[in-house]
Amino acid sequence: AQSVTQPDIHITVSEGASLELRCNYSYGATPYLFWYVQSPGQGLQLLLKYFSGDTLVQGIKGFEAEFKRSQSSFNLRKPSVHWSDAAEYFCAVGTDSGGGADGLTFGKGTHLIIQP
Amino acid sequence: SQTIHQWPATLVQPVGSPLSLECTVEGTSNPNLYWYRQAAGRGLQLLFYSVGIGQISSEVPQNLSASRPQDRQFILSSKKLLLSDSGFYLCASGRNYGYTFGSGTRLTVV
Repeated sequence: AQSVTQPDIHITVSEGASLELRCNYSYGATPYLFWYVQSPGQGLQLLLKYFSGDTLVQGIKGFEAEFKRSQSSFNLRKPSVHWSDAAEYFCAVGTDSGGGADGLTFGKGTHLIIQP
Repeated sequence: SQTIHQWPATLVQPVGSPLSLECTVEGTSNPNLYWYRQAAGRGLQLLFYSVGIGQISSEVPQNLSASRPQDRQFILSSKKLLLSDSGFYLCASGRNYGYTFGSGTRLTVV
């Protein structure tokens, strides 16, 4: 079965500083990888996704992520964070179950705090 | 594009009471539908998914059930709530990894 690990429960970053959120996955084949962001009390918004091809993926809001197969990682980065980036970030892996369900397995999330 | 409507946004229910959360989808037909639960410190857990009307699969054993009476309607239910059912419930719609999430229901069982 697949799994996702986000080792950092909380991360505090100063506004304007760079950001990297870590994500490691466990899956036997090539995974489908996602990053979602959740503002308090809200649903999830997709930031970016990786299916195949270029391992550096660009997303919305200035985020990017890099798929590294050798490290089983899919870390999320942003060169300069804004106060509005404060939120919960979830990494997820998807699998083709063959039954048409293609549900996602999520990590436990990383809570991003932005210091002024 | 898809839009998911979930209600209510918040709910406080006593232990042993029944539950019915509704999710409806606009902008697509025959979607795969999902119920996720987000408990504090535990991330999102897939509870149920449905690939069509009347077709429900459960990912984890639990006190909850799901039904899909119409193509774009997905209902999460319980006959008797437990304290452990508290959490944030999210409905999602998607196919081929184009997912859309609803805004969620915060359920507190007291």
